[in-house]
Amino acid sequence: EPEVTQTPSHQVTQMGQEVILRCVPISNHLYFYWYRQILGQKVEFLVSFYNNEISEKSEIFDDQFSVERPDGSNFTLKIRSTKLEDSAMYFCARAGTTRDSPLHFGNGTRLTVT
Amino acid sequence: DAKTTQPPSMDCAEGRAANLPCNHSTISGNEYVYWYRQIHSQGPQYIIHGLKNNETNEMASLIITEDRKSSTLILPHATLRDTAVYYCIVRDNFGNEKLTFGTGTRLTIIP
Repeated sequence: EPEVTQTPSHQVTQMGQEVILRCVPISNHLYFYWYRQILGQKVEFLVSFYNNEISEKSEIFDDQFSVERPDGSNFTLKIRSTKLEDSAMYFCARAGTTRDSPLHFGNGTRLTVT
Repeated sequence: DAKTTQPPSMDCAEGRAANLPCNHSTISGNEYVYWYRQIHSQGPQYIIHGLKNNETNEMASLIITEDRKSSTLILPHATLRDTAVYYCIVRDNFGNEKLTFGTGTRLTIIP
């Protein structure tokens, strides 16, 4: 069973529209991550989030992307103006506070941009 | 950018032990070895991790060589549900660092 719930499981949107992907960790953890996987390609890191701040982001995570934890529970990834190449699986992950705490992933949101 | 090398694919007969190798010759003293798998398009699933000692849990065993330059993930009695892509990842643990995924090993369990 995934320890992270992601909604929606599948989102279809038109190019240029804004989308918000949501992640609800079951336990109260401080470390959160977003990854994406374009069909047939590697799982790619987007951003990590700790204590309500971005701690690291990749080159992919440009100004079109933002993350927040608005209510202390849900962790969201917003894409402001979607492009065709944003079509991918988006995975949220969380980790505990010990140094070697593994990341636990949700089952992802499949984003399709048309 | 991945610091590990894995064979692209392997087959294993159902019921036999699956031994998945990983080379990480540039691993540093504070880096752990993690193993994940991805079944179809599901989220990566954590399997096991270790620093220098061998580890075992309900899913698998992890054997790390004494020089830490390589490791082997062992699935003791492979089932068809173990068919997946397996990722060996070296991760620095100074501050809950991200995981960097490579291309992994596609393991196919044959009936």
